[in-house]
Order: sequence, then structure tokens, then C-alpha cells
Amino acid sequence: DTGVSQDPRHKITKRGQNVTFRCDPISEHNRLYWYRQTLGQGPEFLTYFQNEAQLEKSRLLSDRFSAERPKGSFSTLEIQRTEQGDSAMYLCASSHDYQNYNEQFFGPGTRLTVL
Amino acid sequence: AQSVSQHNHHVILSEAASLELGCNYSYGGTVNLFWYVQYPGQHLQLLLKYFSGDPLVKGIKGFEAEFIKSKFSFNLRKPSVQWSDTAEYFCASRWSSASKIIFGSGTRLSIRP
Repeated sequence: DTGVSQDPRHKITKRGQNVTFRCDPISEHNRLYWYRQTLGQGPEFLTYFQNEAQLEKSRLLSDRFSAERPKGSFSTLEIQRTEQGDSAMYLCASSHDYQNYNEQFFGPGTRLTVL
Repeated sequence: AQSVSQHNHHVILSEAASLELGCNYSYGGTVNLFWYVQYPGQHLQLLLKYFSGDPLVKGIKGFEAEFIKSKFSFNLRKPSVQWSDTAEYFCASRWSSASKIIFGSGTRLSIRP
């Protein structure tokens, strides 16, 4: 297991298009988190899952954003009708309830550019 | 609202200089504290963490941080920096083991060779 992976690494899209990102957590990690990082800022929490249940959503997660983790393994984050303000790095992290005090391990991120 | 403040946006040092990056967190009861590093082109990595016990924690690559509860601070230190320490450093906290992490805005560290 090589860590958290995210796909794609880069995405360029036109305003108004829909995009979907995928995150594969570390095997057997039951918690999965999504963060967004804009230039010059630290990552900001978007949402997280415990297994397949989405337990918390930030107010940053507008109606255009939806996340799923259907089988409690990989997760997808979809943004509908993208806006230029959605341009950011989208980070995924995973952790295990009974390992390392739930230390979160981060993936490389998906960089979204909305033209 | 829970928050983390990093006082220095950009720090420039010469090699072998000592480093201290400031971090303050808002009060929220029991707190876990972290420092993450992001090297150019790489993803976030954990430098060190504090959960409880000895307030002076040691991390990887010679970094250490001190938790001072009375000052709500968790400053990062390194006695002698190297060029390879050039990176973005993020202080972060969370208020339970299962909760989201709140990040500061980051400090960019540039080391002159």
C-alpha cells in the first residue's frame, strides 16, 4: 500500500462544466476526509466519511458539491456547474479509528483550474 | 469559531540559522496539535504532533515544538536549518481524535544556501 491516491492530479475545465474527482484511501482506513486548498492558504475542511456514512459537511460545501463513499472504500467529489472560484487544490486524507490516534494521511491532491 | 493563527507569512533564513515559527490556536478544550510540511511539488506530510503528556515534542528532521497551554501556542523550532528545509509549514489543530483538522494559513520558509 503506497498511501492515499487521487485521480486526476490536474483538471482544467470551462466554467459551467461538471467535474468529478476520485480518492482511494489507505487500505482499511475507515475515515476519509476532503479538504480544499487555495493559493496562499491552508487546507480547509469540506466533508468527511466514517465508512460509507457522511458525518459532517462544511458550510463551504455548497449545493453544487456532492461527495460519496458508496462502499466505504474510495470516494468521489463532484462539482456541478463549476465556477472560477472553485479553482483550488482538492485534498483527500484518510485515517483509522484505532491507529495512531486517527492520524490523517494526505494524498497528493487534484488541482482544479476553472477557465 | 475554532481557528489557528500563524504569524509569519514568509520567513527567509540563511543555512545554519535557528528557526522558530509561531502558531496560536483558539480555545476549545482538549486539543490535538500538529505541524505539517509541504515541500515543493509534494503532498502534505506530518512533521510532529501533540496529544498529551510532555509539552515538548520532537518530530522528524530535527524539528521540535512546544505546547504552552497558558499562551495557546505551539511554536515550531529547529536549531539549525538546511537548504532542504525550504517548504511551506502549516500549524493545525483538532478538537477530538475523530474530527476535522483546522489549518493555519501557512508559513513559507525560504533558506538561502
